[in-house]
Amino acid sequence: GAGVSQTPSNKVTEKGKYVELRCDPISGHTALYWYRQSLGQGPEFLIYFQGTGAADDSGLPNDRFFAVRPEGSVSTLKIQRTERGDSAVYLCASSTGQGYGYTFGSGTRLTVV
Amino acid sequence: DQQVKQNSPSLSVQEGRISILNCDYTNSMFDYFLWYKKYPAEGPTFLISISSIKDKNEDGRFTVFLNKSAKHLSLHIVPSQPGDSAVYFCAASAGGGTSYGKLTFGQGTILTVHP
Repeated sequence: GAGVSQTPSNKVTEKGKYVELRCDPISGHTALYWYRQSLGQGPEFLIYFQGTGAADDSGLPNDRFFAVRPEGSVSTLKIQRTERGDSAVYLCASSTGQGYGYTFGSGTRLTVV
Repeated sequence: DQQVKQNSPSLSVQEGRISILNCDYTNSMFDYFLWYKKYPAEGPTFLISISSIKDKNEDGRFTVFLNKSAKHLSLHIVPSQPGDSAVYFCAASAGGGTSYGKLTFGQGTILTVHP
């Protein structure tokens, strides 16, 4: 596609439930990033994929968070046993892997009630 | 700890005047700096960047200045236009210029340009 697509755009879930957030990067972009933006804050790095492998997952807050990119294209961020503190906008970005030419998606706004 | 700080939550300027957005950082390993602009309900979009080997980079109405000794950078927009109204994020990387691009962002500054 022309840009980075994230679905759903909005997700409301109950505390304790499991959620999956999807990211469709720009075709041909080998690098994919997940960030999280809480209210009034800047984006916070979660995980980076180069191809199918997670090259850096140092930003994942705890083991309830997991992300996959099985075929080196679409990525899914998975959150188990959601907590109210997980409420945020989850941003995905992709790039060619060279330099900092990120293209961000519009994000998924996750609300845990 | 907040390694990249934007201490002004908001800035209001008149159309045609200069907008100056400021950013401070604490990590001496940061060597590449970027500014992103974000409109509501959209993802951030890249605006301009600067390597630590430079102290100024200019692109049209946008200029970024870097003061390494003070660990401070600023974004100047001249002349400001109402369409520039958005949230501006400063970001930094410690990747040596060739890393995969993991960024540390500031909290953002809301710029409002009045007609």
